[in-house]
Amino acid sequence: EIVLTQSPGTLSLSPGERATLSCRASRSVSSNYLAWYQQKPGQAPRLLIYAASSRATGVPDRFSGSGSGTDFTLTISRLEPEDFAVYYCQQYGSSLPWTFGQGTRVEIK
Amino acid sequence: EVQLVESGGGLVQPGGSLRLSCAASGLIFSSNSMNWVRQAPGKGLEWVSYISSSSPTIYYADSVKGRFTVSRDNTKNSVYLQMRDLRDEDTGVYYCARATASGWGGAADYWGLGTLVTVSS
Repeated sequence: EIVLTQSPGTLSLSPGERATLSCRASRSVSSNYLAWYQQKPGQAPRLLIYAASSRATGVPDRFSGSGSGTDFTLTISRLEPEDFAVYYCQQYGSSLPWTFGQGTRVEIK
Repeated sequence: EVQLVESGGGLVQPGGSLRLSCAASGLIFSSNSMNWVRQAPGKGLEWVSYISSSSPTIYYADSVKGRFTVSRDNTKNSVYLQMRDLRDEDTGVYYCARATASGWGGAADYWGLGTLVTVSS
């Protein structure tokens, strides 16, 4: 099983600031099949990024994904009030089971 | 607009069974692969199962293998999760989610609101 470790656990930032979230895999993610999701309280997750760097439909361009192999990053260029939420990474490559990271909470400072 | 609506959750005793359903609309259901993902109270996401669009390829998480069975009925635009021998650790919200075309099918771009399963005596 590929273990995904997200850091930091909590990120305290102000609106307008840049957020950088990390996701590290215990071994290489095949074909960089790494996704990022946003989840707000009481809501279902929302797909933001797939294949490490492709934005999902309707996702604002302030969200960007990068990385390959075992190290991946989600960057929010300028935080908007609606971006404060929990973010999860997920690997969905050829290695089953598909796994999620434990999440990073982005909170208002 | 794609809509996924889960149903069938509830309170069940340890060792009991439950069948979850997910009704899909706004998409050509027979062409889409589907996932079940769960979330224990206050915890993170856990992928549970995947079923492909046809001649189905099926995958399970190790934690549910042998106890859960995923199936689909393309005539009813629905996917199901039959859960048996339920344990306390199966408690959580179960989401039905459409698999993206990216990769092997585990990423999901449309999600239902979820249905709560509580396993408790």
